[in-house]
Amino acid sequence: DTGVSQNPRHKITKRGQNVTFRCDPISEHNRLYWYRQTLGQGPEFLTYFQNEAQLEKSRLLSDRFSAERPKGSFSTLEIQRTEQGDSAMYLCASSLAEGVTEAFFGQGTRLTVV
Amino acid sequence: AQSVTQLGSHVSVSEGALVLLRCNYSSSVPPYLFWYVQYPNQGLQLLLKYTTGATLVKGINGFEAEFKKSETSFHLTKPSAHMSDAAEYFCAVYTGNQFYFGTGTSLTVIP
Repeated sequence: DTGVSQNPRHKITKRGQNVTFRCDPISEHNRLYWYRQTLGQGPEFLTYFQNEAQLEKSRLLSDRFSAERPKGSFSTLEIQRTEQGDSAMYLCASSLAEGVTEAFFGQGTRLTVV
Repeated sequence: AQSVTQLGSHVSVSEGALVLLRCNYSSSVPPYLFWYVQYPNQGLQLLLKYTTGATLVKGINGFEAEFKKSETSFHLTKPSAHMSDAAEYFCAVYTGNQFYFGTGTSLTVIP
């Protein structure tokens, strides 16, 4: 296992289109996080899963954002009806749930809405 | 409520000079503190973490940080900067279900 994998690395879409990003965590990690990072800012928490359960989603930016982790393995983040303000880097991270362990981050998906 | 403040969005040091990146936190629970580094167009990589025990924590690439509860600080240091240290550095506090990140400090190393 080579770490957290995110696809695609880059996505350019027209305003109003839907986009979906995929994250494959480290295989033994049962926690999976989604963050958004805009230029010059730190990562902003969106949501997280423990196994297939989405335990926190109140920080998703609007009802246009949704995330799934159907089998407790990979996860998808969907943005519907994209807006220019959605342009950002979307980061996925995974960790073990037990104890205080670091989150391992993927390389991110950079979204540009034109 | 949890928050992280990184003083200085940009820091420049000469190669071989001391690196000091500042981080102050606010936490309603015992803090678990982390420093991550981010290179351009990359994800975040862990430098070091403090959970419990020794307050001086050593990390990768010669970095270390000291947890000072009385000052609510977790500053990152490196005795001698290298050109490869140029990157964005983020301090984070972990609450048990999420990481809160500071706004980052961009480190420039001058040859």
